[in-house]
Order: sequence, then structure tokens, then C-alpha cells
Amino acid sequence: GDSVTQMEGPVTLSEEAFLTINCTYTATGYPSLFWYVQYPGEGLQLLLKATKADDKGSNKGFEATYRKETTSFHLEKGSVQVSDSAVYFCALFYGNNRLAFGKGNQVVVIP
Amino acid sequence: DADVTQTPRNRITKTGKRIMLECSQTKGHDRMYWYRQDPGLGLQLIYYSFDVKDINKGEISDGYSVSRQAQAKFSLSLESAIPNQTALYFCATSATRGSNEQFFGPGTRLTVL
Repeated sequence: GDSVTQMEGPVTLSEEAFLTINCTYTATGYPSLFWYVQYPGEGLQLLLKATKADDKGSNKGFEATYRKETTSFHLEKGSVQVSDSAVYFCALFYGNNRLAFGKGNQVVVIP
Repeated sequence: DADVTQTPRNRITKTGKRIMLECSQTKGHDRMYWYRQDPGLGLQLIYYSFDVKDINKGEISDGYSVSRQAQAKFSLSLESAIPNQTALYFCATSATRGSNEQFFGPGTRLTVL
């Protein structure tokens, strides 16, 4: 079935470092792709999205490009801040109007 | 005011007890969802509803039931709680038409002893 796979394990990095979180998907057709962020003690909120191949979603300095050739939607930010510490989920919108989520990546930014 | 609210925010209960988690929304959305979140497993869909008369099982519906009392209210019940139902539970909503974005509540942390 349709699914997304995120890189394993938490990510710890220093402030102002470059962040990449990998996400690949398996799907029939061309699903919409999302990145959600969960700050400590809160629910998930949409960070960015892309609805077709080669679309680039962007928000708060984060970017992700929908790559059909590599079935990927990697999240990047050029210079992270302590306030970016959160859990990041890649998600895919598939048939019957449902979202499939990856397992999430905890990002810890150290001052 | 929050658009999607969940009550209670935290609950500790014992094995075998019946528990109800409630979700309310003021977004006017027709679609509502219940997920559970376990560390390292992401979010798993329990049940979803596309309108008041529509209820569908998700990936992990065993041991759970739901009720869609109104467009704005969607409750999740554990008829006889067991310890492996200890998790963080989220309600979400989405519009019938539009961007497919789901809006999440703040979550309910449930502990079953």
C-alpha cells in the first residue's frame, strides 16, 4: 500500500547548521506530500506541502521538493535555530482521503 | 481559542475500565479522524468519519469504538482499556474540498495501568 519512509533515528545538530531529513514514498499515481511538525506538548501542524512533481513547498525557512524520479520529498533548512527543535513527520495523501505518516524524526538543536 | 479541542488532556486509568476521549471542532469541517501516536511508530489511524452518518475503520480499530454525535463532535471509546493502549491520542479534522490538510488537536495522553 501507499506509504512513506523516513530516515531512522533522532537528529542532533548545532544552531545555524544545515538540516536534512530524508523522506521517500511508495504510491500509485501522484499523491500530495506533506511535512508536519510537532512541537513539544502540542499537536501536529502543517509545515509545508507539494501537490505535484517538481513542486517546491516552503515555509519558515524550510523547503522540500517533490521528486518523482527518486520518489522523495526531503526536508531541508539552511540554518536551524533552537526553536526548530521538534518532531518532523513526512506524510502522503492517498486514496479515500487519508494521510499515511512516516515514523517521525526528533530534531534537537543545541545552542 | 483553539479550533480543535480534546478532553481530557491527560488521563490515567486501570485495566478493564471504559474510557471516552472527546474531540470538538469549530472549523466547520465535515471530516474527522482519530490517531494514536506511539514513540518511534508515527501516527496510526484508528477511525475516521466523513460526515455525521459515516464511520470507517482505520488501520488499528480493534479495541476502540467511535461516535459522531454532531458535525463538530467525534468521540473515541475504549470499552475495556488494556496497558498496550497507553499512548498519545490525536483528533484531526479536514475540509471536504480543498488542500487535504488535516488540523490536529493538542492530544490526550492516556495511561492504562
